[in-house]
Amino acid sequence: GDSVTQMEGPVTLSEEAFLTINCTYTATGYPSLFWYVQYPGEGLQLLLKATKADDKGSNKGFEATYRKETTSFHLEKGSVQVSDSAVYFCALRANAGKSTFGDGTTLTVKP
Amino acid sequence: NAGVTQTPKFQVLKTGQSMTLQCAQDMNHEYMSWYRQDPGMGLRLIHYSVGAGITDQGEVPNGYNVSRSTTEDFPLRLLSAAPSQTSVYFCASSYSVRVNEQFFGPGTRLTVL
Repeated sequence: GDSVTQMEGPVTLSEEAFLTINCTYTATGYPSLFWYVQYPGEGLQLLLKATKADDKGSNKGFEATYRKETTSFHLEKGSVQVSDSAVYFCALRANAGKSTFGDGTTLTVKP
Repeated sequence: NAGVTQTPKFQVLKTGQSMTLQCAQDMNHEYMSWYRQDPGMGLRLIHYSVGAGITDQGEVPNGYNVSRSTTEDFPLRLLSAAPSQTSVYFCASSYSVRVNEQFFGPGTRLTVL
C-alpha cells in the first residue's frame, strides 16, 4: 500500500537558520503530495502542495519540489522564524481520494 | 463559511460508555473522513465517506461506527469506549479528487478512563 516516511524529529533550530525536512513516499499511480502544518491545540492546515512531477509548491517562504525519480518531496525554508515552530506532516493523496500521512516532524525555533 | 466544525472539544468517558463525536462542514464537500492522532504515530484513518449514503473503513475501524445521511454531517460513534481509544480525533473534508487538499476540524480530545 501507499506510505510516507518523514525525517524523524524533533528538530531544533536557531532563528534565521535553514530548514530541511525530508519526506519520501511509496505509491502506485500518480499521487498528489502535500505538506500540512499543525500548531499546538489546532487541526492540520495546508502549507503547500504539488500535483505532478517537477511541480514546486510554495507558501510563506516554504518550498517543496515533487521529485518522481527519487520519490521525494522535501520541505525547505531559507530562514526560519520562531513563529514557524509547529508539527509538519508530509502526505500523499492517491486517485481513490484517500490520504496517507507521515508521522510528523516537530520543529522548534529558538530566538 | 465556518469550514469544518467538531463537537465536543474535550470529552472524558468511562470504559464501556458510548458517545458520538459530531462533525459538520459547510463547503459542500463530497469526501469526509475521520482520523485519530496518537503521539509518534501520525494520523490514522478510521472511516471515510465519498458521499451521502456511502461509507467505508479505513486503517483502524474497530470499535467505531459512522453514517453519512447528509452531505454536511459525518458523526463518529464509539460503541463501547476502551482506554485504547484515548486519542485526539480529527474530522476532515475535501472535494473527492486526487489534487485537492483536506480541510481539518479543530479536533476532539477524548480520554477514556
